[in-house]
Amino acid sequence: AQKITQTQPGMFVQEKEAVTLDCTYDTSDPSYGLFWYKQPSSGEMIFLIYQGSYDQQNATEGRYSLNFQKARKSANLVISASQLGDSAMYFCAMREGITGNAGKSTFGDGTTLTVKP
Amino acid sequence: KAGVTQTPRYLIKTRGQQVTLSCSPISGHRSVSWYQQTPGQGLQFLFEYFSETQRNKGNFPGRFSGRQFSNSRSEMNVSTLELGDSALYLCASSQEEGARQFFGPGTRLTVL
Repeated sequence: AQKITQTQPGMFVQEKEAVTLDCTYDTSDPSYGLFWYKQPSSGEMIFLIYQGSYDQQNATEGRYSLNFQKARKSANLVISASQLGDSAMYFCAMREGITGNAGKSTFGDGTTLTVKP
Repeated sequence: KAGVTQTPRYLIKTRGQQVTLSCSPISGHRSVSWYQQTPGQGLQFLFEYFSETQRNKGNFPGRFSGRQFSNSRSEMNVSTLELGDSALYLCASSQEEGARQFFGPGTRLTVL
């Protein structure tokens, strides 16, 4: 069964506007971590933001924030004030368990974000 | 600290050959994971090594193997290459208790 679902294959946003990229997940493990990565055309995966399952507050990192709704099993990425350099593929990923699975992440299919000038 | 490095960055092989890819993790990181990325299958977990032991393994055939050395550097090997093995191979390192993986730039393998 798909553990990470990203339902938006492609998204467009106007420069300087905010955009939300959707991610839902499925796990029976009470301990898990959720990640968002950005992958530009060069191929390198760039870490954006992390949310732990026990974190009470939504994570924020500069222009990135994670809208974590545990009961709905969703972890949407919000990018505020979009920039042209934000155009890339965005992946949602999950790591189950605190230890022992530190190195195994399950990724969604990704969302291609295009920022229009 | 230096980031995760992968060599070579690009590789062209023919069917039936074998290939070895190398990954040097961030200093102090003991966990090294490998992922295969293709347009059709997306990002798929291959395996993870921790302190020279394979700790997790994805659903790939036995042609895919790996190892980790005492300095945490890791290699992955693919034998009897098939056209479908053409992909971007990403290596990532993490600390045991860390919350995130740090990815290398990847090795782009083309099988002709």
